[in-house]
Amino acid sequence: DVKVTQSSRYLVKRTGEKVFLECVQDMDHENMFWYRQDPGLGLRLIYFSYDVKMKEKGDIPEGYSVSREKKERFSLILESASTNQTSMYLCASSLESYEQYFGPGTRLTVT
Amino acid sequence: GDSVTQMEGPVTLSEEAFLTINCTYTATGYPSLFWYVQYPGEGLQLLLKATKADDKGSNKGFEATYRKETTSFHLEKGSVQVSDSAVYFCALSPLSGYSTLTFGKGTMLLVSP
Repeated sequence: DVKVTQSSRYLVKRTGEKVFLECVQDMDHENMFWYRQDPGLGLRLIYFSYDVKMKEKGDIPEGYSVSREKKERFSLILESASTNQTSMYLCASSLESYEQYFGPGTRLTVT
Repeated sequence: GDSVTQMEGPVTLSEEAFLTINCTYTATGYPSLFWYVQYPGEGLQLLLKATKADDKGSNKGFEATYRKETTSFHLEKGSVQVSDSAVYFCALSPLSGYSTLTFGKGTMLLVSP
């Protein structure tokens, strides 16, 4: 079974803090993705990566950056957290078949 | 750009009722189509998929048929259970380029005993 894990289920941070969200997959997938999920807006793609050290902007990259130093790990970074980044963050991975496997999500609250 | 439109919820049904959740899409070419399900407190799981026109995806009693002429991929189940209560997402992926997904906004299904 493919397993995608995220470092925290719940996280509370203060405005202006630097926030790291970590995602690890155990199936040697090339592609990894970060989404945010908000009520009424569905899932929106923030960034994705198709190889180590490679990254591509998704639909809403502003205020975020990513890092992929190893194939199994994909980190989402909020350089200076703001209240409008309070959301559920979902990580996913895939091979070339377009079928994505999701982690359980991190609910981030920025106060 | 690509887009997916789903019926708004919540959809409220009694156990054993028939379910339809509508999904239409806009895309260039012939994308792959997916239904994902999100149970409370969990991430998304792939429910079913179809990769070409007239394909029928099926899983756990759910079905959806890829209709190119109507650009639709409606989700159906003949008899829902309380355990089917969840949020359902329709999504598409283009044939070319990176394997990104475009999601609909999700439809919440609530099934009562």
